[in-house]
Amino acid sequence: KQEVTQIPAALSVPEGENLVLNCSFTDSAIYNLQWFRQDPGKGLTSLLLIQSSQREQTSGRLNASLDKSSGRSTLYIAASQPGDSATYLCAVTTYSGGGADGLTFGKGTHLIIQP
Amino acid sequence: EPEVTQTPSHQVTQMGQEVILRCVPISNHLYFYWYRQILGQKVEFLVSFYNNEISEKSEIFDDQFSVERPDGSNFTLKIRSTKLEDSAMYFCASSVLPKNIQYFGAGTRLSVL
Repeated sequence: KQEVTQIPAALSVPEGENLVLNCSFTDSAIYNLQWFRQDPGKGLTSLLLIQSSQREQTSGRLNASLDKSSGRSTLYIAASQPGDSATYLCAVTTYSGGGADGLTFGKGTHLIIQP
Repeated sequence: EPEVTQTPSHQVTQMGQEVILRCVPISNHLYFYWYRQILGQKVEFLVSFYNNEISEKSEIFDDQFSVERPDGSNFTLKIRSTKLEDSAMYFCASSVLPKNIQYFGAGTRLSVL
């Protein structure tokens, strides 16, 4: 059974710092990996998706990498801003051939950027 | 920008009552999902739906749950006889191949009293 772990559980840094969030998964047979942002009491916003054949994806100040063989992904946030404060979730899907595969989520990293 | 819409935003019900949570997926998407998040816990997959049938379901999705796409736009989750432990945030999501990025709605908070 796939398990996703995110480290650290919480992180508080001053504004402007670059930071790295870590995600690991136990079964390397994934189809894709998604990083999400969740604000308190709100839904999930998709940030980046990495296909299993890819090594990294970039969107603005965000860069996500994937090392499928070792079961790891990182989300790099450059020049952090107070508006980046949120919980960041990592999730993977395993391709079963059916297409509509459910995501397995980690517990998330609760990020606070201090002004 | 297209988005997944969920109604209601908050549903309060008595234990044993039936509830229906509603979702309008993104219009050109073909795969639909329900997830739940109990307060303070992980987001958990419940069920996926494609071509008018269940594609995959988790062990959480027992006989008390059912899903339906009653028309061309709505996707519903029914809980037949709610329990206290069904209290959670329920998220609907939709996606389309090949990238299969799942887009989530804002969620329905279900409170079972």
